[in-house]
Amino acid sequence: QVTLKESGPVLVKPTETLTLTCTVSGFSLSSTRMGVSWIRQPPGKALEWLAHIYWNDQQSYSPSLKSRLAISKDTSKSRVVLTITNVDPLDSGTYYCARMEGNPAWDWFDPWGQGTLVTVSS
Amino acid sequence: QSVLTQPPSVSGAPGQRVTISCTGSNSNIGAGYDVHWFQQLPRTAPKLLLYDNSNRPSGVPDRFSGSRSGTSASLVISGLQAEDEADYYCQTYDSRLGGHVVFGGGTKVTVL
Repeated sequence: QVTLKESGPVLVKPTETLTLTCTVSGFSLSSTRMGVSWIRQPPGKALEWLAHIYWNDQQSYSPSLKSRLAISKDTSKSRVVLTITNVDPLDSGTYYCARMEGNPAWDWFDPWGQGTLVTVSS
Repeated sequence: QSVLTQPPSVSGAPGQRVTISCTGSNSNIGAGYDVHWFQQLPRTAPKLLLYDNSNRPSGVPDRFSGSRSGTSASLVISGLQAEDEADYYCQTYDSRLGGHVVFGGGTKVTVL
């Protein structure tokens, strides 16, 4: 059974760096075609794709947030980490990680983690 | 503002048919990229509903169907049921700015 679980701080102060971890099970992050994306959802708003990491460590980022994002993975620990620098209250919301087998240009997210809620406030 | 435009809300009585549109442009849906649909029940994570425009994953009822034409895609729920009350999102790929994943703004389906 494939599962993903997000973890991270509940509260972060403005200008700080947010670090989120996605722990996966049921598949290997180094398996060909396997990848993981981070997607967020502000309260009451739509989904927004943030970043994707491929099995071969290639990365892809949202153009609007690229300068503030970094995605990496630790295959031995089955973890994918996303960092967001210089956070702002607008970064508040639920952060999801989701698996994709293939390429974001053609394939789909399945399954998703349960999400982790982050609030940015002083 | 989302790259893909969806109606904010649609509603219908049980048993009725509702359609959710997803309008894009020549850099995404119109470029031939497939559209995927997700269902988000209240207070839960999104779940894959349809992939590659019209394909249902195992376990998704056949009252959910989809299509793509030109720069738009549609999700149809035939025989609306109370448990279908949820938010629905379309998703595809946009070739601008080096290429990236895009989502629609979401549609709230209300069962009257």
